Amino acid sequence: EPEVTQTPSHQVTQMGQEVILRCVPISNHLYFYWYRQILGQKVEFLVSFYNNEISEKSEIFDDQFSVERPDGSNFTLKIRSTKLEDSAMYFCASLEGGSYGYTFGSGTRLTVV
Amino acid sequence: AQKVTQAQTEISVVEKEDVTLDCVYETRDTTYYLFWYKQPPSGELVFLIRRNSFDEQNEISGRYSWNFQKSTSSFNFTITASQVVDSAVYFCALRVPSGNTPLVFGKGTRLSVIA
Repeated sequence: EPEVTQTPSHQVTQMGQEVILRCVPISNHLYFYWYRQILGQKVEFLVSFYNNEISEKSEIFDDQFSVERPDGSNFTLKIRSTKLEDSAMYFCASLEGGSYGYTFGSGTRLTVV
Repeated sequence: AQKVTQAQTEISVVEKEDVTLDCVYETRDTTYYLFWYKQPPSGELVFLIRRNSFDEQNEISGRYSWNFQKSTSSFNFTITASQVVDSAVYFCALRVPSGNTPLVFGKGTRLSVIA
């Protein structure tokens, strides 16, 4: 069964550093998402991406965050200057056009020290 | 706006007991989709079920069953004869199928099954 692949599975970074989280969505999917889950809390929507642009973003997704689909395959989330409170599990998801069920990646656990 | 409420923060049961996880949702849309996900200790989100608003038929899959009641805006999940491997956090989620609207998750219920 097709999968959404996320790398790395775990990343540790120093506060103030830039970090890029990578995702390879399912190839025929059209809609892409990032979600965040702070440890012990619920899964929160960050941003959705369609047709090479952001279609919706939450209030969490401030100027420190950006997304890109640089090569038609990868879908990246960049955090420019990480803060301690950015420590969380980040999930990528993709959705086929006309469908209603997401496929989630296995997540990247980001730890900011 | 959509909202999902999982009032049970943590549940602990002894193996082989049945357990029901509650989910109440809010939406003004007449068409929507409801989901349950399992998050084991390893952290990934495991899809369990998707149900659309026009299908109120209850579903059973092995030891899992789901009770969808539009009249009470609930989509409850029952595990029969629980096992230690069922220990996880379970999330209920809602999505309105307009464009690429995001999933809205509840806060989750942590289920611990004790041997």
